[in-house]
Amino acid sequence: GENVEQHPSTLSVQEGDSAVIKCTYSDSASNYFPWYKQELGKGPQLIIDIRSNVGEKKDQRIAVTLNKTAKHFSLHITETQPEDSAVYFCAASLTQGAQKLVFGQGTRLTINP
Amino acid sequence: DAEITQSPRHKITETGRQVTLACHQTWNHNNMFWYRQDLGHGLRLIHYSYGVQDTNKGEVSDGYSVSRSNTEDLPLTLESAASSQTSVYFCASNSNTGELFFGEGSRLTVL
Repeated sequence: GENVEQHPSTLSVQEGDSAVIKCTYSDSASNYFPWYKQELGKGPQLIIDIRSNVGEKKDQRIAVTLNKTAKHFSLHITETQPEDSAVYFCAASLTQGAQKLVFGQGTRLTINP
Repeated sequence: DAEITQSPRHKITETGRQVTLACHQTWNHNNMFWYRQDLGHGLRLIHYSYGVQDTNKGEVSDGYSVSRSNTEDLPLTLESAASSQTSVYFCASNSNTGELFFGEGSRLTVL
């Protein structure tokens, strides 16, 4: 089955700097790669996703890149702000929707003022 | 507004007791999932359902069961709670083509 590895487990950056979180997956058939943000005491919430027919997707300060050949994808957050502090999870599945998601281990991102 | 709710939010129980965590969604989603979250392991799938009367085992299903008697609810039962089942449990739901929505979580402590 699918296995998703996520690095780093913790990341601390200065406010205004960029943050990058990386994930690798094992199943070359996976086609859907979402990223979730989990704030303290809350459930994870989708922030951006990408499908295998796209190499990069941007939404304001966040972007996701996908390299299907190498089977890895990354989350990029630019101009970080204190409210970006949270735990971030990557995930992979065969398709969006019915197919169950396999999650990475999570990255605790801390933005230092 | 449509939502997904879990109860209880916090529970402390003793080893060997049966525990049921409730999950209720008002989106009329076909698909419902239970995950557990543990440090260093991320979110691991326990059980999932693609519709009424359908249930499937996930990655870490031992010691857990679910039932799906209607669209809105997927209760998770721990038949005989063990200390290894101390965790935060998340219920989630989606449609066949849509985003996965999570509940707020249920923190379970087994003493």
